[in-house]
Amino acid sequence: AQTVTQSQPEMSVQEAETVTLSCTYDTSENNYYLFWYKQPPSRQMILVIRQEAYKQQNATENRFSVNFQKAAKSFSLKISDSQLGDTAMYFCAFVIQGAQKLVFGQGTRLTINP
Amino acid sequence: KAGVTQTPRYLIKTRGQQVTLSCSPISGHRSVSWYQQTPGQGLQFLFEYFSETQRNKGNFPGRFSGRQFSNSRSEMNVSTLELGDSALYLCASSSRGVSPDTQYFGPGTRLTVL
Repeated sequence: AQTVTQSQPEMSVQEAETVTLSCTYDTSENNYYLFWYKQPPSRQMILVIRQEAYKQQNATENRFSVNFQKAAKSFSLKISDSQLGDTAMYFCAFVIQGAQKLVFGQGTRLTINP
Repeated sequence: KAGVTQTPRYLIKTRGQQVTLSCSPISGHRSVSWYQQTPGQGLQFLFEYFSETQRNKGNFPGRFSGRQFSNSRSEMNVSTLELGDSALYLCASSSRGVSPDTQYFGPGTRLTVL
């Protein structure tokens, strides 16, 4: 079975701090993409960052970076210099080759406090 | 480029009725996927269309159906509505015909069944 586990239902940090969200996944496939999406109170699902499984280098997007450990099937998201606008639900997800179907975790509710 | 658009944004229906939701993908995107989001079940894949053909289908009853038009716009239909169909329905589009690929989401349609 293909599953995604986010072990932290909720997290809260102060503005400007660094926070790391955890994600583990399970798939027997070798070719897949991993994603972090954020869903703010507006409910719009926004792509934060993408990692292709065949790439060893960890993806970065401005303040957002990932720690991708393929053997351990781990894909954590680090947010540096957190901002109030980062407050949202964060979902880890992956899609495998041959099936355009995202498998999502249950999400981590992140709150950035002023 | 304009993002994925979904109409209507909110719907209220009663049990037994049917409903049609619409999704217009990002210009040039040919794949459209639909997801259901509920507090209890999280995000679940409904189906994916590419070039007017359903390529992938999730584990939902036959009351849930969809189609895609030649301009890549997609509709999903839910017949004989049940209370449990109350959810946020998200549409996502991607550009390539080959997975894995990145999906970009619309703002969703909030369906309430009374």
